[in-house]
Amino acid sequence: NAGVTQTPKFQVLKTGQSMTLQCAQDMNHNSMYWYRQDPGMGLRLIYYSASEGTTDKGEVPNGYNVSRLNKREFSLRLESAAPSQTSVYFCASSNLPSSYNEQFFGPGTRLTVL
Amino acid sequence: SQKIEQNSEALNIQEGKTATLTCNYTNYSPAYLQWYRQDPGRGPVFLLLIRENEKEKRKERLKVTFDTTLKQSLFHITASQPADSATYLCALLGGTASKLTFGTGTRLQVTL
Repeated sequence: NAGVTQTPKFQVLKTGQSMTLQCAQDMNHNSMYWYRQDPGMGLRLIYYSASEGTTDKGEVPNGYNVSRLNKREFSLRLESAAPSQTSVYFCASSNLPSSYNEQFFGPGTRLTVL
Repeated sequence: SQKIEQNSEALNIQEGKTATLTCNYTNYSPAYLQWYRQDPGRGPVFLLLIRENEKEKRKERLKVTFDTTLKQSLFHITASQPADSATYLCALLGGTASKLTFGTGTRLQVTL
């Protein structure tokens, strides 16, 4: 039982390049989330998926797109990376759509955009 | 606007003492409040959840209080150990929302 896994662990991009961050969970959770964490800003929600087939914007969605590929997988895409997207990205999942239950986090992807 | 405040300065305490961390919020009516632990280079790990109608919750050496009048939660670690050194995040869930809003976290350092 691996929990929540994320790939890659580290990535360096040049401005304008695109990439997809992958996330998978093996806990049969309905809901999945993408956050970014910046110094002094805390965790901020980018997008979330309350259930398979649905996605919704969070607090900071601009410059990102997501795909809930199936119940296990939730990917985050940067179409044209900008230096302001340098951050640590975390994927999380929870058992209930309302997420009043605990969220389980992956180990994070450290992204640098030059 | 909604705001969650945690002390950005690190809290340094001696082993064996009780650590108390504070989470204050404004313009918010959370139905639930959660506390997470985050170690360097890792994702947050859930510790405790407390509901708005609960005053106190305990789990082993951890205790959380929730005062909706003061708009404050206190997180206590009794008999603290160096292994408790980490950043602790509070997160709020509003009554009509399904998303968590996180505070910036407080770093706890427990020394021998």
